[in-house]
Amino acid sequence: DTAVSQTPKYLVTQMGNDKSIKCEQNLGHDTMYWYKQDSKKFLKIMFSYNNKELIINETVPNRFSPKSPDKAHLNLHINSLELGDSAVYFCASSSPYDTQYFGPGTRLTVL
Amino acid sequence: DQQVKQNSPSLSVQEGRISILNCDYTNSMFDYFLWYKKYPAEGPTFLISISSIKDKNEDGRFTVFLNKSAKHLSLHIVPSQPGDSAVYFCAASASHSGGSNYKLTFGKGTLLTVNP
Repeated sequence: DTAVSQTPKYLVTQMGNDKSIKCEQNLGHDTMYWYKQDSKKFLKIMFSYNNKELIINETVPNRFSPKSPDKAHLNLHINSLELGDSAVYFCASSSPYDTQYFGPGTRLTVL
Repeated sequence: DQQVKQNSPSLSVQEGRISILNCDYTNSMFDYFLWYKKYPAEGPTFLISISSIKDKNEDGRFTVFLNKSAKHLSLHIVPSQPGDSAVYFCAASASHSGGSNYKLTFGKGTLLTVNP
């Protein structure tokens, strides 16, 4: 009965590859987010979608492209992976005036 | 530019005593503050929040205090339990009253260790 789930949990890949991380929420929320936690432990928002529409885009390189096929899913596709992309990526969701619920995270390692 | 700062990377307390975690912010537009708790290999989980119209909010063993003039908030855990050992993140948002899509700005977190 996981509320916000992400796959995969771990992802190891070579520089230059393209990869995707999937996120699904079964809470019925309208809004979903992607956060990045870098090596300095800062948790920073990358994107926010509301009802499949992009609302927040925080100066993230164009190589990152979120895709929301429906309001329960928000996937993150990353092109031409770089060493600096290594981080833990968290998906979250919320409804209006409610807190954000986070997934377990995907640890991405770029070699 | 760190808008939310948690200056103590770690804190160690004895079981049964009070844990006080501190957070400072610089953005005057922040009007809603939250604390999240994070265990290793898990996502952050919501703990407690406070609106800028209040100066205190209590939920069981957890109390959050907000001092707007000092741009400071703190989380008190009384009594502390070993299961409280985790990383605690302070977060803030502006225009929370705007409903969905509010952006959370997080601090770096404080690792709390509660010793039996």
